[in-house]
Amino acid sequence: DAKTTQPPSMDCAEGRAANLPCNHSTISGNEYVYWYRQIHSQGPQYIIHGLKNNETNEMASLIITEDRKSSTLILPHATLRDTAVYYCIVRTLRVAGNMLTFGGGTRLMVKP
Amino acid sequence: DAGVIQSPRHEVTEMGQEVTLRCKPISGHDYLFWYRQTMMRGLELLIYFNNNVPIDDSGMPEDRFSAKMPNASFSTLKIQPSEPRDSAVYFCASSLQENYGYTFGSGTRLTVV
Repeated sequence: DAKTTQPPSMDCAEGRAANLPCNHSTISGNEYVYWYRQIHSQGPQYIIHGLKNNETNEMASLIITEDRKSSTLILPHATLRDTAVYYCIVRTLRVAGNMLTFGGGTRLMVKP
Repeated sequence: DAGVIQSPRHEVTEMGQEVTLRCKPISGHDYLFWYRQTMMRGLELLIYFNNNVPIDDSGMPEDRFSAKMPNASFSTLKIQPSEPRDSAVYFCASSLQENYGYTFGSGTRLTVV
């Protein structure tokens, strides 16, 4: 699976949009981009995923560049409860099954 | 739905003892995963099952670790004998299909003294 690169930490003001970048320059055509987050002392939580089109759900938006080498997760109005580690994962669907491999992630701190 | 349920939430045991961690996946999910999280190594996939069958156990650290899924609603991860370096948070997750997001449980914090 392609590797991802994320900044180790970011700050965001409460109420503002949080834009979390992810580079995945070696992504291949059949690999999806997934985003999860982990709030302190909890299990990781699925946020959103996409292949090449931009995606939006009740939690966030995912913007994937046309060449698919990078993406941005957008939390439109960050709250203090959005403080967490955010993981960007590129995942291949294998014939025998599927796995998520977590990297270091970005620690987002939302400040009042 | 109650989500993925793990038990116990916390476990403290002495080195050399057997430890069994339990997981109940979301009903209808046909994939189940066991992860381990430590400060040093982050989140690591240990093993996963599809329709109760172990598919990939290459992440299991050594023979002291074993996992079973006797039916669609229950899985165990056993460590025998336990060692201090096994101290970690162990997460179970389940997924409906291979392209769906995973749902994680709240984890079991294991401390081996």
